[in-house]
Amino acid sequence: EVQLVQSGAKVREPEESLRISCRTSGYSFTKYWISWVRQMPGKGLEWMGNIDPTNSYTNYCPSFQGHITISVDKSTATAYLQWGSLRASDTAMYYCARQALKESGGGDLDIWGQGTMVTVSS
Amino acid sequence: DIVTTQSPDSLAVSLGERATINCKASQSVLYRSNNKNYVAWYQQKPRQPPKLLIYWASIRDSGVPDRFSGSGSGTDFTLTISSLQAEDVAVYYCQQYYTTPWTFGQGTKVEIK
Repeated sequence: EVQLVQSGAKVREPEESLRISCRTSGYSFTKYWISWVRQMPGKGLEWMGNIDPTNSYTNYCPSFQGHITISVDKSTATAYLQWGSLRASDTAMYYCARQALKESGGGDLDIWGQGTMVTVSS
Repeated sequence: DIVTTQSPDSLAVSLGERATINCKASQSVLYRSNNKNYVAWYQQKPRQPPKLLIYWASIRDSGVPDRFSGSGSGTDFTLTISSLQAEDVAVYYCQQYYTTPWTFGQGTKVEIK
């Protein structure tokens, strides 16, 4: 069974750093890009960026570039989303999602993690 | 960036009736070399992650009931639920993946009338 299992909820103060994880299983990790999607409380979905696990090539949405870093560890088939300095406005649910098979050329997100709630508050 | 705009923001439909959601992209998302429209549709129920329903604008993902269908080309797309069931109450999102940054519509909330 294909699964993306995310780390648990996090509470941090402004300006703190944070890394959340997305552990994958049940498929060949390097055959599919991984995307990260933000959902602020009561709001819609925002694509943050994606990564090719084969070579760690990344694309970032301009709205998030410079504020986040997406990475992978091929040895554990895990993707990561990290912040160097959190803001209160980063409070949101964050989802990792598997992108369609690379050879298909698609960007649809076919398997999603359960989400990680990040709360940033002093 | 390609802006994707859904309409309506919400709709209430009687059980067994048709629900139609529209999605308009600010530029064409049809890639002429392969004749594919780079659009997907998702369903999100409360306190759950989104679920992929449709990709390439009209192909149902595995296990998705056939009452869900996608249509359209170029800039205008539609998700249709042919006969609304109680379990279809959710927020529905379209997404374009023609070019990064991928963008989602603002969502359409579907309720029972």
